[in-house]
Amino acid sequence: DAGITQSPRHKVTETGTPVTLRCHQTENHRYMYWYRQDPGHGLRLIHYSYGVKDTDKGEVSDGYSVSRSKTEDFLLTLESATSSQTSVYFCAISEVNQPQHFGDGTRLSIL
Amino acid sequence: GESVGLHLPTLSVQEGDNSIINCAYSNSASDYFIWYKQESGKGPQFIIDIRSNMDKRQGQRVTVLLNKTVKHLSLQIAATQPGDSAVYFCAQGGNYGQNFVFGPGTRLSVLP
Repeated sequence: DAGITQSPRHKVTETGTPVTLRCHQTENHRYMYWYRQDPGHGLRLIHYSYGVKDTDKGEVSDGYSVSRSKTEDFLLTLESATSSQTSVYFCAISEVNQPQHFGDGTRLSIL
Repeated sequence: GESVGLHLPTLSVQEGDNSIINCAYSNSASDYFIWYKQESGKGPQFIIDIRSNMDKRQGQRVTVLLNKTVKHLSLQIAATQPGDSAVYFCAQGGNYGQNFVFGPGTRLSVLP
């Protein structure tokens, strides 16, 4: 989706290191989300934001934190990465009562 | 808790045939349903949505049917093309779009 950019697209890091993933949108949408996608599971919500500095936990928030200092940017941080956090991470955006639109994902490998 | 699932994990169809992908959901209070398509290496792409006050909605070559009585959602793709090969997800949510529940997906393979 041209309006959502995730960076980096791929990352390999070691257990115990901090990792920050960035989601940038150009649509000025109110809501932003972070999901992880693993084999055998549907997309699972990690955290979401309903405005600048307004965030809330999702289904699988343990080990993750987020920040949204500007409407267009939503950061996902793994304070101390673990192998169980190896996954593909997707950012999504939406407006109220509208479908979510997704970025192309970040493939994160933690060795 | 809420769950959204799919009856078939894989579906193979001949090019030109119609495809039907099914989805069962458990939360009868949800009022918004979406189908997404995901190609390899890409994020889910919105296909079509439907709200609980409707039974059917049509798009270009796609139709979504909602049966609230049996909590069942289906996606019909007419004249399936090779470019339709992908994983398809259904999602169930509430009024504000957050906290959607996604199914694990069905892989659609289009045979020449």
